[in-house]
Parts: sequence; C-alpha cells; structure tokens
Amino acid sequence: QAVVTQEPSLTVSPGGTVTLTCGSSTGAVTSGHFPFWFQQKPGQAPGTLIYDISNKYSWTPARFSGSLLGGKAALTLSGAQPEDEAEYFCCLFYSDAAVFGGGTKLTVL
Amino acid sequence: EVQLVESGGGLVQPGGSLRLSCAASGFTFSSYWMYWVRQAPGKGLVWVSRINSDGSSTSYADSVKGRFTISRDSAKNTLYLQMNSLRAEDSALYFCACIRAGHWGQGTLVTVSS
Repeated sequence: QAVVTQEPSLTVSPGGTVTLTCGSSTGAVTSGHFPFWFQQKPGQAPGTLIYDISNKYSWTPARFSGSLLGGKAALTLSGAQPEDEAEYFCCLFYSDAAVFGGGTKLTVL
Repeated sequence: EVQLVESGGGLVQPGGSLRLSCAASGFTFSSYWMYWVRQAPGKGLVWVSRINSDGSSTSYADSVKGRFTISRDSAKNTLYLQMNSLRAEDSALYFCACIRAGHWGQGTLVTVSS
C-alpha cells in the first residue's frame, strides 16, 4: 500500500504564508489521485477544505488554496489567522484505496 | 442541515464483534460513496473502508480485510460497518464520512480490551 508523506510540523506567523505538501511513495501526485485536504482541531471531527487538488467548498476560507507543486499536492495558507492553528491531513486516492498522510501540525505564532 | 451520526461503539474483548451505524440526513445519501475512517488517540486519520453509491462495490484497508464488512441501506439512509475478530489495534474513534461532499460525523469510540 502506498505511503503518503506530509511535513510533521510547520510554524507560520500571523498574517504570513505557508505551504503544506503531500507526497506519494509511488511517484508524482497527479490529478488522478484526487487530492483532498482536511483540517482538524483538537477534540473535533475533521473538516474538509479542498477537493480534487484545488476546489473549495462553500465553507472553505478564501485564504486556503490547493495546487500541485513539484510532484506533490500542496495546500497554501495566505494570511494565516490564529484560528488556523490545527492539524492538516491530505488524502490521496489510489485504484481501490484511500491513503491519508500522517498530518501536519500547523502552529500560528 | 447535513448530519452524519455514528453509533454502536463501545468496549469489546479481543476477538469480539461490533456493528457500527451511521445515520445520514440532509443530503442525497444514495448518490454518494461513503467511507469509514478511524483515528487512534493522538494519532492520524486512517482509511478503513469505502462503499460505492449503490452498494455494489466495496474496498478495505489491508489491516481490516476479511474481518470488517461495510454495507449501506439507502432506504434507511444508513451506513454500517460490521467488525469481527477485533484486535487491540482496532481501538479508535471511527468516523463515517461522505468525503467528496465534505461531510463527516463526530465519530463513535471503539475500545478493544480485556
């Protein structure tokens, strides 16, 4: 089964910009992996931010964006807010399985 | 309002069984693939199983294959996970999710311990 890798932790200053990445052990991440991004705060269920690389839901703050970058899926947060401090998980879809990354703990400090 | 409400978790001995349910409302349940995802305390999200919109196709993580069975009842708007031969490492909070539509339940806790 594929392994999906994320940075274990990142720190961003309030108002700053940070990019989280999501790589696949099988090679470059492509549109065929239908990358998803989720945000999870302590004690809460995950919330979905981005689907299919870069598409947003009605509830996704505009400061979040998704892309493919250097063979990985990427989540960019522009203008970080204190409430963005959370764990972020990506998920890639393979032929008959979904694989989550280990998560990135984002600190806004 | 979209709701996914899981139930059926609890404390079970190793080798035992549980059946989780997820009641869906507020969206067209029968149109979407549904997923079970679990999270052990302090750990990340792990995909467990998925079922397609009409229930004709299922898939499982290697760690649960042959022990867990996912199913759905579109008349009842309910997703199920039958879990047999439970092991300590199956202990986790189990979420049902309609991943593509962006909907998650709050989870139901499964603890496997003697």
